[in-house]
Amino acid sequence: AQSVTQLDSQVPVFEEAPVELRCNYSSSVSVYLFWYVQYPNQGLQLLLKYLSGSTLVESINGFEAEFNKSQTSFHLRKPSVHISDTAEYFCAVSDTGNTPLVFGKGTRLSVIA
Amino acid sequence: EAGVAQSPRYKIIEKRQSVAFWCNPISGHATLYWYQQILGQGPKLLIQFQNNGVVDDSQLPKDRFSAERLKGVDSTLKIQPAKLEDSAVYLCASSLGGSSFRGYTFGSGTRLTVV
Repeated sequence: AQSVTQLDSQVPVFEEAPVELRCNYSSSVSVYLFWYVQYPNQGLQLLLKYLSGSTLVESINGFEAEFNKSQTSFHLRKPSVHISDTAEYFCAVSDTGNTPLVFGKGTRLSVIA
Repeated sequence: EAGVAQSPRYKIIEKRQSVAFWCNPISGHATLYWYQQILGQGPKLLIQFQNNGVVDDSQLPKDRFSAERLKGVDSTLKIQPAKLEDSAVYLCASSLGGSSFRGYTFGSGTRLTVV
């Protein structure tokens, strides 16, 4: 069964600084990879996903993630964070479109003014 | 398209009481999931349906939790009797399967507090 490791439970970063949230998954032949964001007292929102094709995927609000098959990683990056990016970020993986998503434990990003 | 609808948004019950949650997935999505998210943790799968059949309920505490998906559309998740440790957000998600897969859509969740 798939498993997901988010190496950092909390990441504090100053506003306008770059950030990387790390995600590793257990090996598989093929995977679908996702990052979700959860603001306080709100539901999960899809940030970006990798299903196939280009290994670099981008979101509309400046985040990007790169699928690295050899390192089984899908790290999330943003070159310059804003206060509004403060939230919990979850990495998730599934083997196929017919299997459930397996989530990591989450990384709490705190952007400091 | 309309999203995944869940109700109620919030529920407070006493331990040993029963509670039910409802989910209406996106039209045409054959696969439906229920997840439990305890505060400070990632969501954990409770049960997966394909149409009205159960695909995976290995992590569902069957002594107190039950779920059904009649007619392969709406689904209900029930807890009876509730325990304090059941306090969590219960999330419903749906997806297209197979070659039509494009990702999962989550509802806003039901926040359950057991006192």
